Amino acid sequence: EPEVTQTPSHQVTQMGQEVILRCVPISNHLYFYWYRQILGQKVEFLVSFYNNEISEKSEIFDDQFSVERPDGSNFTLKIRSTKLEDSAMYFCASSQGLDYGYTFGSGTRLTVV
Amino acid sequence: SQQGEEDPQALSIQEGENATMNCSYKTSINNLQWYRQNSGRGLVHLILIRSNEREKHSGRLRVTLDTSKKSSSLLITASRAADTASYFCATSGGSYIPTFGRGTSLIVHP
Repeated sequence: EPEVTQTPSHQVTQMGQEVILRCVPISNHLYFYWYRQILGQKVEFLVSFYNNEISEKSEIFDDQFSVERPDGSNFTLKIRSTKLEDSAMYFCASSQGLDYGYTFGSGTRLTVV
Repeated sequence: SQQGEEDPQALSIQEGENATMNCSYKTSINNLQWYRQNSGRGLVHLILIRSNEREKHSGRLRVTLDTSKKSSSLLITASRAADTASYFCATSGGSYIPTFGRGTSLIVHP
């Protein structure tokens, strides 16, 4: 069964450093998303991406965050200057369309120290 | 807020019993989805039910949707220890972006 692949599975970074989280969505999916889950809390929407541009973003997705689809397969989330409160599990997801279920990756656990 | 809220927060049952989890939400939706999350892992999509549907089945899972009461339920029949996980409902409104609730933690004792 097709799956969404995320790398790395764990990332430890120093406060203020830039991190790039990588995702390979399912090849025939058109919509791509990033969510995050702070330990013990809800899964929170960050951003959606369609047709090579951001279609929706939440209040969390401020100027420190950016997304890119640099080629036909990868979808990346960049955090420019990490803060302690960015520590969370970051999930990438993709879907065939707006009214379809999402396929999530296994996540990247980001720890900012 | 559109997000669904699951009830109960925690559920502990014996293998073979049925497990029922509920989700309530506040505003109109286009669809409602149920996901499972094993500890420390990603979310697995279980079922999507659209606003014009009332019931859907997938294997041992049965989902109902009552838009007049703004609620949904997820029934897992003949539960197994492997069903132990957190279960989330996610509601989608006009933007079709699912908003997740806090989840129900299900423990199935062998």
